[in-house]
Amino acid sequence: GENVEQHPSTLSVQEGDSAVIKCTYSDSASNYFPWYKQELGKRPQLIIDIRSNVGEKKDQRIAVTLNKTAKHFSLHITETQPEDSAVYFCAASRGGSNYKLTFGKGTLLTVNP
Amino acid sequence: DTEVTQTPKHLVMGMTNKKSLKCEQHMGHRAMYWYKQKAKKPPELMFVYSYEKLSINESVPSRFSPECPNSSLLNLHLHALQPEDSALYLCASSPSPSGGYEQYFGPGTRLTVT
Repeated sequence: GENVEQHPSTLSVQEGDSAVIKCTYSDSASNYFPWYKQELGKRPQLIIDIRSNVGEKKDQRIAVTLNKTAKHFSLHITETQPEDSAVYFCAASRGGSNYKLTFGKGTLLTVNP
Repeated sequence: DTEVTQTPKHLVMGMTNKKSLKCEQHMGHRAMYWYKQKAKKPPELMFVYSYEKLSINESVPSRFSPECPNSSLLNLHLHALQPEDSALYLCASSPSPSGGYEQYFGPGTRLTVT
């Protein structure tokens, strides 16, 4: 089955800096890669996703890049703000008839004012 | 309504109790999910319903019993739970009935088994 590795497990940045979280996956058939943000005591929130026919996707301060050859994808947050502090989970899925999202173990991002 | 809702928010139950968790969505999504999440861990898939039929059971113990009465509602019936079952139980839904794509989570039920 799919295995998703996520690094780093914790990340601390100063407000205004950029943050990068990286994930690698093992199943070459995976074609859907979402990122979830989970604030303390809240639900996981889908913040951005990418499909395998696209190399990069941006939404304001957030971007995701995908390298299918190397089987890794990354989340980039620019101009970080304290409200970006949360646990971020990457995930991978074959999509289609496979219902499962395989999650990474999460990254605790702390943005210091 | 663009959200998944769950009730109750918190639940404390003894090991001999029977209780139910409820999940509702009115976005027309045809796939619904139950996840269990322990502190500082990612969500762990338990069950998947597609078109109100159980599609996946991730070898969950029978003390957890899911039910999908209609396309908007998902229940999780709990019986004879163990303290290690204490966790955040998350419901999710997806517009893709074949699954595997965008999933939207409810706020969860924080369950404590005493």
